[in-house]
Amino acid sequence: EAGVAQSPRYKIIEKRQSVAFWCNPISGHATLYWYQQILGQGPKLLIQFQNNGVVDDSQLPKDRFSAERLKGVDSTLKIQPAKLEDSAVYLCASSFVGGREDTQYFGPGTRLTVL
Amino acid sequence: AQSVTQLGSHVSVSEGALVLLRCNYSSSVPPYLFWYVQYPNQGLQLLLKYTSAATLVKGINGFEAEFKKSETSFHLTKPSAHMSDAAEYFCAVTDAFNQAGTALIFGKGTTLSVSS
Repeated sequence: EAGVAQSPRYKIIEKRQSVAFWCNPISGHATLYWYQQILGQGPKLLIQFQNNGVVDDSQLPKDRFSAERLKGVDSTLKIQPAKLEDSAVYLCASSFVGGREDTQYFGPGTRLTVL
Repeated sequence: AQSVTQLGSHVSVSEGALVLLRCNYSSSVPPYLFWYVQYPNQGLQLLLKYTSAATLVKGINGFEAEFKKSETSFHLTKPSAHMSDAAEYFCAVTDAFNQAGTALIFGKGTTLSVSS
């Protein structure tokens, strides 16, 4: 089966610009996660969707980050305006049901560099 | 809050030697624990997970981990390292205190180097 797809793979922008990332989860997976991975650290959750509803966005910097999952499939994460500290790899993951024991399958990530 | 500690940010072994990557967790409830591997410029791939069925968990590529409640540990081992095992390894736990979601809480990772 196809894995989690993400695009673009790499993005370089200037600070204060906007950027958007796209994720297509594994077919049939109800739960979708966006994680931020800063160099030298483990991934940290930004937002979790169950179908097209937000389950947890407590760690999402809502003044600049936004995300949506229309029709409960694809998802887009946007940053506007970007700051230097947003330089990181943005990982999308999906799981079949979203239970605590469920395996989360990760995409290859989008590496963002903010200059 | 729950947390995961990975002792040793960098581990170096020779090809054929034992691999031991350490992970300790903090949780007052039975945890679900995971080990993921990340190769350069790739996403994370699940090696194995503990969901309370058995304390010794076998995963892919010859890796296994043992859940020890008394030590709050879930160390990852492999009897004989291969050059292809060189990667970054992350231990993670599901946040049982998060009533809203099921996000993973990750350790900072351990980079494994394998020399010939």
